[in-house]
Amino acid sequence: DTEVTQTPKHLVMGMTNKKSLKCEQHMGHRAMYWYKQKAKKPPELMFVYSYEKLSINESVPSRFSPECPNSSLLNLHLHALQPEDSALYLCASSRIRTTRYGYTFGSGTRLTVV
Amino acid sequence: GESVGLHLPTLSVQEGDNSIINCAYSNSASDYFIWYKQESGKGPQFIIDIRSNMDKRQGQRVTVLLNKTVKHLSLQIAATQPGDSAVYFCAEIVSNQFYFGTGTSLTVIP
Repeated sequence: DTEVTQTPKHLVMGMTNKKSLKCEQHMGHRAMYWYKQKAKKPPELMFVYSYEKLSINESVPSRFSPECPNSSLLNLHLHALQPEDSALYLCASSRIRTTRYGYTFGSGTRLTVV
Repeated sequence: GESVGLHLPTLSVQEGDNSIINCAYSNSASDYFIWYKQESGKGPQFIIDIRSNMDKRQGQRVTVLLNKTVKHLSLQIAATQPGDSAVYFCAEIVSNQFYFGTGTSLTVIP
């Protein structure tokens, strides 16, 4: 299995809703990432987990809450989002030492906040 | 963060022609450079990488050239096909950190 699987593919939520994005990989990668991507822009790093522990939080608002239940799963809990949070949310994974091949990305969740 | 940028935001080519996508970088300590392809509605997909001690690497229909003197990276796509239409990002790995460039949107004209 050489894929990163993200669910759901599309999500529409109101500003008072609580929802979660899910990510799964079975490549044995011990580093997992959440990125936010706006149209025609490169992905922006949000969070990094190394060995299931949060190692980097790129000053992301607390309405985004990551969780890494085990080495294969990564969640992003969403609460009280704003319309400007609408974007493609990408999950990625990699070996701890990021040498060649870089990261493996999922197809993303297209989030729309209304 | 590090600076990895692209010269042109958009590129249109005729089907069958060769495409060249360029990228400039600023950090001389990069370990690897990677090209990603991102189709509409999908995540970035690895195309090819090149180690910093190499000048050229070839894959299937793609070639990456690295000019360390001018800190320039390019992706050449031979016989461009409609399926090559996408946004292409260069990225570099520096001291185990990963940095994306700004992206070039490639449109293939049938």
